[in-house]
Amino acid sequence: DAKTTQPNSMESNEEEPVHLPCNHSTISGTDYIHWYRQLPSQGPEYVIHGLTSNVNNRMASLAIAEDRKSSTLILHRATLRDAAVYYCTLTSGGGADGLTFGKGTHLIIQP
Amino acid sequence: NAGVTQTPKFRVLKTGQSMTLLCAQDMNHEYMYWYRQDPGMGLRLIHYSVGEGTTAKGEVPDGYNVSRLKKQNFLLGLESAAPSQTSVYFCASSYPGGRAEAFFGQGTRLTVV
Repeated sequence: DAKTTQPNSMESNEEEPVHLPCNHSTISGTDYIHWYRQLPSQGPEYVIHGLTSNVNNRMASLAIAEDRKSSTLILHRATLRDAAVYYCTLTSGGGADGLTFGKGTHLIIQP
Repeated sequence: NAGVTQTPKFRVLKTGQSMTLLCAQDMNHEYMYWYRQDPGMGLRLIHYSVGEGTTAKGEVPDGYNVSRLKKQNFLLGLESAAPSQTSVYFCASSYPGGRAEAFFGQGTRLTVV
C-alpha cells in the first residue's frame, strides 16, 4: 500500500498562510492525492484532491511536486476554524479499497 | 440531503454483548466503508463494499461482520464485543473512482466495559 508521511503537528498564526507538507515517495502513476481534515469530535471532511497538476478550490490549494513524490496543502489565510487534524491520503484509480489514513498533522492556529 | 447518517451516536456495551451499527447514505453512492479511530490515531479501514450485496475486508476486520443488503445501507456488526473494540466508528461513502470525494458520518462512540 502506498503510504504518506506528515509532520505530527504545526503551528501558525491567524490570518497567515499555512503550508502543510506530505511525502508519498511510493506513489504510483494512477494514485490520486487527497486531503481531508477532521475537526474535534467530527468525522473527516474532504478538502481537495489532485493527480498531477496543482489544484485550487474555495478551501485551499494543492501543490504537487513534478515527480509526484510530495505535495503541499496551502491554506491561504488561516482562521481559528481551520484548527484541525489534516490527513494526506492516496487512492488508487478505482478507489474501491478506501482511503489509508496516517496520523495526520495537528494544525494549531494562534490568535 | 442528510448525507451519511450513523445510528446510534453513543453506546456502552458489556463484554460479550452484540450490537449492530447502522450507516445510511442518501447520495446513491456505490462505495461504502467502515473505519475505526482510536485515541491519537488516524482512521483504520474495517470493511468496505463496492456495491449492493458485496463486501470485502479492510485492514482490521477481525471481530466484525458487515452486510450491504440495500445500496443505501451498510451495517457493521459486533457478535461478541471486547474491550479492544472500544473506539469511535466512522462510516463513509463515495462514488467509484480514485478522484471521488468521500463523505463521512459523524461517528459512533462505542465503549465496551
